[in-house]
Amino acid sequence: QVQLVQSGSELKKPGASVKISCKASGYTFTKYAMNWVRQAPGQGLEWMGWINTKTGNPTYGQGSTGRFVFSLDTSVSTAYLQISSLKAEDTALYYCTLEMGVPGAIQNNWFDPWGQGTLVTVSS
Amino acid sequence: QSVLTQPPSASGTPGQRVTISCSGSSSNIGSNTVKWYQQLPGTAPKLLIYSNNQRPSGVPDRFSGSRSGTSASLAISGLQSEDEADYYCAAWDDSLNGVVFGGGTKLTVL
Repeated sequence: QVQLVQSGSELKKPGASVKISCKASGYTFTKYAMNWVRQAPGQGLEWMGWINTKTGNPTYGQGSTGRFVFSLDTSVSTAYLQISSLKAEDTALYYCTLEMGVPGAIQNNWFDPWGQGTLVTVSS
Repeated sequence: QSVLTQPPSASGTPGQRVTISCSGSSSNIGSNTVKWYQQLPGTAPKLLIYSNNQRPSGVPDRFSGSRSGTSASLAISGLQSEDEADYYCAAWDDSLNGVVFGGGTKLTVL
């Protein structure tokens, strides 16, 4: 079955960088776009953007420009989220999730399934 | 402040029917389809409803979605204790050029 398995929790100091992985299995990796969603402690969901798994072209949401980089390694069916210059407000659960529906029609597509989440804690 | 507005909480007793509303605008719910996600405590979100009212396989037919104008709602009938979770609506926003979520509704089964 389609499954997304994310890397483990990270504890980082302010100013450091972190790279989270999301390994996909159970389907052809380049078939679906990969999206990233974050959830601050006790808060709601925030869409960060997506990456085209065929071309590697990323698209960032309004709140995710500059310090956030989406990347892929298609040889191991893995997507990555790298965050640089970490701040305390980056402390959150980060989820990868597949975009299902009509390819290229994100307006009406949906997210399924989701990875289990990776907790990033930024603290001095 | 979320772009889509949901009540922060809702509650019901076992067997009851509850509805959760999601209010948006012409740039999101008014022009794109609505999705609903269920997040059980300590777990990742799970797709509950897509394309306004479609249920993925495995989702009980106790869950139903609807959209009218710039608002949407999720109805849960025959409420069960395992339905206690946070529920989020989502849609694409043409003005923001991105996916927007509601702030989430915490459902308590009394």
